[in-house]
Amino acid sequence: AIQMTQSPSSLSASVGDRVTITCRASQGIRNNLGWYQQKPGKAPNLLIYAASSLQSGVPSRFSGSGSGTDFALTISSLQPEDFATYYCLQDYSFPWTFGQGTKVEIK
Amino acid sequence: QVQLVESGGGVVQPGRSLRLSCTASTNTFGSHGMHWVRQAPGKGLEWVALIWYDGSDKYYIDSVKGRFTISRDNSKNTLYLQMNSLRVEDSAVYYCARYYGGYGLDVWGRGTTVTVSS
Repeated sequence: AIQMTQSPSSLSASVGDRVTITCRASQGIRNNLGWYQQKPGKAPNLLIYAASSLQSGVPSRFSGSGSGTDFALTISSLQPEDFATYYCLQDYSFPWTFGQGTKVEIK
Repeated sequence: QVQLVESGGGVVQPGRSLRLSCTASTNTFGSHGMHWVRQAPGKGLEWVALIWYDGSDKYYIDSVKGRFTISRDNSKNTLYLQMNSLRVEDSAVYYCARYYGGYGLDVWGRGTTVTVSS
């Protein structure tokens, strides 16, 4: 199975900060990667698909980049509603695998 | 707006069975692959299984192969997960999610909780 290594596992940031979360695949996955946001007690929500495409309805402060093995999710200006846990998910080969998550907390 | 609603969770003893259901609010249900994803208490997300839009192909995570069966009834807009020989480590919130082709898991249910305990 492809391993997805996400970093950092947690971070503290302030409103307005630029935040970047990275995800590294144990082998090449082309651009078959999505990013999901999850708030406590809620289902995950799709932010980015195909590594860099913004899901409809998601604010433009979210962006994704990367291809092959290295990917990044960037929040250009952190807003109060962005404090959550973020996961990457590879959909290149089965079994699909998630990163371990990055918890974004208020500084 | 498509909605997915899971049901069937509960408390069950190790070794017993449970069947989860996920009902979609749309008649386009039969056009999309469907997934189950789970989350153990305080842990991250874990992909569990996928079924093709027409039920012709299925994939599972290794830890549930031979114990869990994913199926669907497109006439009822419903996805299922039959879980046999349940283990304590299967305890989790189970989410169903729609796969919109190469566009990711774009619609999720609210989840149903499975607790395996003696």
